[in-house]
Amino acid sequence: EAGVAQSPRYKIIEKRQSVAFWCNPISGHATLYWYQQILGQGPKLLIQFQNNGVVDDSQLPKDRFSAERLKGVDSTLKIQPAKLEDSAVYLCASSTNLAGGGETQYFGPGTRLLVL
Amino acid sequence: AQSVTQLDSQVPVFEEAPVELRCNYSSSVSVYLFWYVQYPNQGLQLLLKYLSGSTLVESINGFEAEFNKSQTSFHLRKPSVHISDTAEYFCAVIVNAGGTSYGKLTFGQGTILTVHP
Repeated sequence: EAGVAQSPRYKIIEKRQSVAFWCNPISGHATLYWYQQILGQGPKLLIQFQNNGVVDDSQLPKDRFSAERLKGVDSTLKIQPAKLEDSAVYLCASSTNLAGGGETQYFGPGTRLLVL
Repeated sequence: AQSVTQLDSQVPVFEEAPVELRCNYSSSVSVYLFWYVQYPNQGLQLLLKYLSGSTLVESINGFEAEFNKSQTSFHLRKPSVHISDTAEYFCAVIVNAGGTSYGKLTFGQGTILTVHP
């Protein structure tokens, strides 16, 4: 079974530029998550999708971050414009269903973003 | 809201020695508990999880964790570590919302385990 795929693996941009990350979840997984992991901290949930609907985006900085999951499969996360504090690893994860029942989340390798 | 505290940011240990990585959580309701591991240059992988039943859960590579409700802890242990166990370990908690209900996974800050020969 193929795992969660993410691209690119690394990205360096200057502040105020825009950037987009792509995620392809495990086939058949209804729930998709985007996390931000700042160096020295645990992952923090940014947004959670159930199929193509948003379940929780309470921690997404909506003035600069946006995400979509068209057709309930692939997802993109965009930052526009980027700030220095956005430097982090962006992780995508998926699960068979909503995590309230204890479902395991499967993580991709992440995209490491450096904002100069 | 729930929170997770991992009491040690770094744990150095010699090969074949025992190790304990500590995790405490705070929540006023029932929770599920997880340990994830991140090997160098790899993504997070589930190591083990507690949902219900026996409070002692085990992984396939010799780790175990015990859910202690009275102390709100979920410490991870291994009686004899290997060089290959060197990684960062994350404790995480989610409110037991049941069935297909929504739940948000909250992670601790991580513990870097370094096993020395």
